[in-house]
Amino acid sequence: GQNIDQPTEMTATEGAIVQINCTYQTSGFNGLFWYQQHAGEAPTFLSYNVLDGLEEKGRFSSFLSRSKGYSYLLLKELQMKDSASYLCAVTSGGSYIPTFGRGTSLIVHP
Amino acid sequence: SAVISQKPSRDICQRGTSLTIQCQVDSQVTMMFWYRQQPGQSLTLIATANQGSEATYESGFVIDKFPISRPNLTFSTLTVSNMSPEDSSIYLCSVEDHHGTSGNNEQFFGPGTRLTVL
Repeated sequence: GQNIDQPTEMTATEGAIVQINCTYQTSGFNGLFWYQQHAGEAPTFLSYNVLDGLEEKGRFSSFLSRSKGYSYLLLKELQMKDSASYLCAVTSGGSYIPTFGRGTSLIVHP
Repeated sequence: SAVISQKPSRDICQRGTSLTIQCQVDSQVTMMFWYRQQPGQSLTLIATANQGSEATYESGFVIDKFPISRPNLTFSTLTVSNMSPEDSSIYLCSVEDHHGTSGNNEQFFGPGTRLTVL
């Protein structure tokens, strides 16, 4: 099976930088997704990491270390609209269906 | 990317009744998925629905409780049968798309159906 762990809740200030961590335990790792989910809405895709290193996409970056079973999502220049739940999800083995973590609720305040 | 719609968007139902949720995709897809997201919890996969075959259920979910139909490549339904308050949750339809922005098999989600069972 898979075990995915991420903090339940984080708070940050508008304009700041926040890092959301995700650790996982799995066999036959394929890749790791980050999704954003605003309250009452469907999750939307943010990033996908297969290889070690940092993937940058605008204000959002995602990092992966396969040897450590660790990823983080970095959000820069935080805006109020970034308040949402951020879901880490992992695919492994012969399946490309992701298993989701519980999500991290990020609250951005002025 | 695939555009997915679900009906109903929300419903309040009585214990013991059943509700059928519809999922429509704007393009033909091979695999469709049904997830449940209970309050404060993450997404849990209920089953995978392929056209022309029976759905494949995950551990803890059975066909009698969550019958699924997949009559064609753009449509699926999930029925929540003999409901109890523990079934109160958000139910999301999802599809796998090979043409997502990542270039990999991304999952796209419908807006969800918020179910409350009294």
